[in-house]
Amino acid sequence: GESVGLHLPTLSVQEGDNSIINCAYSNSASDYFIWYKQESGKGPQFIIDIRSNMDKRQGQRVTVLLNKTVKHLSLQIAATQPGDSAVYFCAESRGDYKLSFGAGTTVTVRA
Amino acid sequence: DTGVSQDPRHKITKRGQNVTFRCDPISEHNRLYWYRQTLGQGPEFLTYFQNEAQLEKSRLLSDRFSAERPKGSFSTLEIQRTEQGDSAMYLCASSPRYSGNTIYFGEGSWLTVV
Repeated sequence: GESVGLHLPTLSVQEGDNSIINCAYSNSASDYFIWYKQESGKGPQFIIDIRSNMDKRQGQRVTVLLNKTVKHLSLQIAATQPGDSAVYFCAESRGDYKLSFGAGTTVTVRA
Repeated sequence: DTGVSQDPRHKITKRGQNVTFRCDPISEHNRLYWYRQTLGQGPEFLTYFQNEAQLEKSRLLSDRFSAERPKGSFSTLEIQRTEQGDSAMYLCASSPRYSGNTIYFGEGSWLTVV
């Protein structure tokens, strides 16, 4: 079965607001987590990653938070823009080189 | 464009035919991966190479599937005797030697079996 999953399959957000996309994982051996953005008809695009020895990492308009206690990570997007509309996937690995993906959250930005 | 390149982007084939997809990874990336993605689902791992060596194959990769990376550069994924259940997007990805687990995907090859 899947080792990662997202709390909500869809998220609707007003343009300019902040978005929070959640992901839960079940395996405490997971040591690396990564967020991808996938637009319709395209391959997944790397957004940001985080290792299990960290609890927060920031990029350009994005922040990933990792809570190992409850096995939860989130992706925060600041000042959401129409171009942020896409499917977002979290993925994890456990000391090897392959990633396990959840089913994804579809983010729709309202103008 | 220096990203992962996949060809063809779209393929429609009749059931029972063989198809082959090609992947050119990012230059000097030594690890190459194949994933499969069906509508509404996340990508599923199929196999990966480190240089020319195929180090792991998923149970999803039946005997009809074969992947090669003969010179440690480009890779091919062949599906023999295609079935309708093979219809999916086949994603190739690559990662550099010292990136850890960060992998970069191509745009995918869509397969439709009719």
